[in-house]
Amino acid sequence: AQKITQTQPGMFVQEKEAVTLDCTYDTSDPSYGLFWYKQPSSGEMIFLIYQGSYDQQNATEGRYSLNFQKARKSANLVISASQLGDSAMYFCAMREGRNTRGQNFVFGPGTRLSVLP
Amino acid sequence: KAGVTQTPRYLIKTRGQQVTLSCSPISGHRSVSWYQQTPGQGLQFLFEYFSETQRNKGNFPGRFSGRQFSNSRSEMNVSTLELGDSALYLCASSLRGYSSYNEQFFGPGTRLTVL
Repeated sequence: AQKITQTQPGMFVQEKEAVTLDCTYDTSDPSYGLFWYKQPSSGEMIFLIYQGSYDQQNATEGRYSLNFQKARKSANLVISASQLGDSAMYFCAMREGRNTRGQNFVFGPGTRLSVLP
Repeated sequence: KAGVTQTPRYLIKTRGQQVTLSCSPISGHRSVSWYQQTPGQGLQFLFEYFSETQRNKGNFPGRFSGRQFSNSRSEMNVSTLELGDSALYLCASSLRGYSSYNEQFFGPGTRLTVL
């Protein structure tokens, strides 16, 4: 069974500083994808970054990077140089690669990030 | 390229009524998934459609149903509404169905309030 854990319900960070949002996952499938989404107060889910289980390097997208530690089943999101607009809920999600029914995205409970001026 | 659109954005219904929500995926995307988001349960998967076929279904009662049309547009229907159905309903589209290397793009959601 898939499971995503985000242990930080809320986080505070000072503007311009870096912050790490934790995500651990559980799967027995060797092929899977890990995703991070941002959800501002408007409600829309915004895709941030993707990491495949077979990717050799950590994914990066602008100020976002993913600290992927496969053996620990950890996929932490790092946001560098935080901005006030980064204040939002952040969700970690996973999708297994097996071509079978029952496959879908599973989301963690989310972390609410607040950036302080 | 236009993003995922959902209509209506807001709905207010009363218990016992039924509701239909609509989702238009990104052009060229063939997979559409629906999620229910509530403060208590978080994001929960409802169902996924690919090429007009329901490929996957979450753990929701039969009051929740959906369909996908030949142009990939999708609708979900909730019959006999209950207070607990009040939620943000999110639709997401992706290029393909089965693949872990397949990001989903979300629409703005429909906020349903059941009185």
